[in-house]
Amino acid sequence: SQTIHQWPATLVQPVGSPLSLECTVEGTSNPNLYWYRQAAGRGLQLLFYSVGIGQISSEVPQNLSASRPQDRQFILSSKKLLLSDSGFYLCAWGGGSRGYTFGSGTRLTVV
Amino acid sequence: KNEVEQSPQNLTAQEGEFITINCSYSVGISALHWLQQHPGGGIVSLFMLSSGKKKHGRLIATINIQEKHSSLHITASHPRDSAVYICAVEDNDMRFGAGTRLTVKP
Repeated sequence: SQTIHQWPATLVQPVGSPLSLECTVEGTSNPNLYWYRQAAGRGLQLLFYSVGIGQISSEVPQNLSASRPQDRQFILSSKKLLLSDSGFYLCAWGGGSRGYTFGSGTRLTVV
Repeated sequence: KNEVEQSPQNLTAQEGEFITINCSYSVGISALHWLQQHPGGGIVSLFMLSSGKKKHGRLIATINIQEKHSSLHITASHPRDSAVYICAVEDNDMRFGAGTRLTVKP
């Protein structure tokens, strides 16, 4: 069966520090992978999606970047966090006829 | 106007009450999801449906494709049901509602 792992579940980081959130999937190959963010009081917004290794599309300009070093690994990064980067980050895979599967999310607080 | 509208935004209920959360959407979809976000932020996928009705324990989800509307029902609500419930629809992309914050008081 297909599963998706996202970690960490919560993270507190100081302003200016780097960020790395990781998402991995099991039980599937060549998945479409997605990073979403939910800012306080708002709905989830697509940040990045990837249809294959090294292929990243960005939906909104921001202080974040994404990478896909392996087929089943999707990483969300920042070199220097801003206070406005605080929020809830959600990884997902799938789309199309297979539907979507969601990670459990990461609550990031930048202090 | 958002493509996915949820109502109500906030809901407070007494333990044992029957809860209904509504989701309306304006795009053609291939599936609709109901997600539960716990106070700590963790997401749990409750239902994925493209027609009819699904039931899991005290939770029931229905969808009317013609009316572009879905409802999530919770029977015999309990304080542990307190969470944010998010409706999300799939077409070529995933589109999310803003969520309904449910508080169930003992």
